[in-house]
Amino acid sequence: DIQMTQSPSTLSASVGDRVTITCRASQSISTWLAWYQQKPGKAPKLLMYKMSSLESGVPSRFSGSGSGTEFTLTISSLQPDDFATYYCQQYNSHPLTFGGGTKVEIK
Amino acid sequence: EVQLLDSGGDFVQPGGSLRLSCAASGFTFSVHAMSWVRQAPGKGLEWVSTITNSGDTIYYADSVKGRFTISRDNSKNTLDLQMNSLRAEDTAVYYCARDRRYSRSHDYWGQGTLVTVSS
Repeated sequence: DIQMTQSPSTLSASVGDRVTITCRASQSISTWLAWYQQKPGKAPKLLMYKMSSLESGVPSRFSGSGSGTEFTLTISSLQPDDFATYYCQQYNSHPLTFGGGTKVEIK
Repeated sequence: EVQLLDSGGDFVQPGGSLRLSCAASGFTFSVHAMSWVRQAPGKGLEWVSTITNSGDTIYYADSVKGRFTISRDNSKNTLDLQMNSLRAEDTAVYYCARDRRYSRSHDYWGQGTLVTVSS
């Protein structure tokens, strides 16, 4: 199984900050990576797929990059609505696996 | 508007069974693979199972293989998850999710249904 490791697990930031979350795969997954945002008590929301493709309706301040085994999700200017938990997911092969999550908190 | 309505969650004793359902609307159900993803209380996301659009290929997480069965009815736009031999560690919110076309990412999610396994 492909293990996905996210860092940091918690991140404290202020509105307007540039935020970067890292996700590492235990083996190459090409660009078969998705990012999700989840708020408390809500279902996850797809932000990015195929590493860097922005899902419809997602603000352009979100971007994804990387390749192979190391990937990043960047929020260029953190907004109040962005405080949430973020998960990466590889879908290169089954079983599909998620990272442990990164909680973005208000500093 | 795409809608996925999860239902069937309940309190059940270890060893018991439960059937979850997901009613889909607002899109052509028969062209999308569908998945179940769960989240234990206070924990991260765990993929459970995926069924292809026609139902001819199914995948399971090792943690549920042999105990859970995913199925779909394209004539009724429904997705089911039959869960047998339930364990305490199956306690979670279960989400049905639509797989994005030509991708295994999940672009729409149900609201989730809570399964609690406890004696």
